Amino acid sequence: ELKVEQNPLFLSMQEGKNYTIYCNYSTTSDRLYWYRQDPGKSLESLFVLLSNGAVKQEGRLMASLDTKARLSTLHITAAVHDLSATYFCAAPISSGSARQLTFGSGTQLTVLP
Amino acid sequence: NAGVTQTPKFQVLKTGQSMTLQCAQDMNHEYMSWYRQDPGMGLRLIHYSVGAGITDQGEVPNGYNVSRSTTEDFPLRLLSAAPSQTSVYFCASREAGTGPYEQYFGPGTRLTVT
Repeated sequence: ELKVEQNPLFLSMQEGKNYTIYCNYSTTSDRLYWYRQDPGKSLESLFVLLSNGAVKQEGRLMASLDTKARLSTLHITAAVHDLSATYFCAAPISSGSARQLTFGSGTQLTVLP
Repeated sequence: NAGVTQTPKFQVLKTGQSMTLQCAQDMNHEYMSWYRQDPGMGLRLIHYSVGAGITDQGEVPNGYNVSRSTTEDFPLRLLSAAPSQTSVYFCASREAGTGPYEQYFGPGTRLTVT
């Protein structure tokens, strides 16, 4: 059974600081997804990481994937208040369920002025 | 394109009542799925479908039924609502196959069972 674990679950950081969210998954997966969710809203796709060593960047967010370590990271550079949200990573179940996603518990990020 | 739409946005049920959550997509996606989101637990897969007439169970299927008669629609039925089914329900769709296809999520239905 695929398990996806994120840490930290809660993150409070000052504007301008850097931080990293970690996503570990328990079985082999060839891709990893990152989503953002604002309070009371739906999920918005941020990144799809497709191979070992993949790195993608969008603004102040950079995501990477290490399939050998079964680890993905979401790095936040010089945080701003607009980045306050909950971030989820998800990996596809590799067999039997048409590659539906298993989600981590989410990291609730609060950026303080 | 409207994308993935869900109705209703909010619903309050009494224990034992039944209801159907509606989900529709206009992107001609073969794959559709239902997730529930509870505080601190991320999203968990309830049921999914890989095409009209084909459905399967996810991680937490008990107490829910689905059917898929058309490509566009994928309703979720609660047979006899229980307080444990209080949650936010999201429908999602994506293209078929093993490509890096993005899942598109609907706006969600907030269900409270008293």
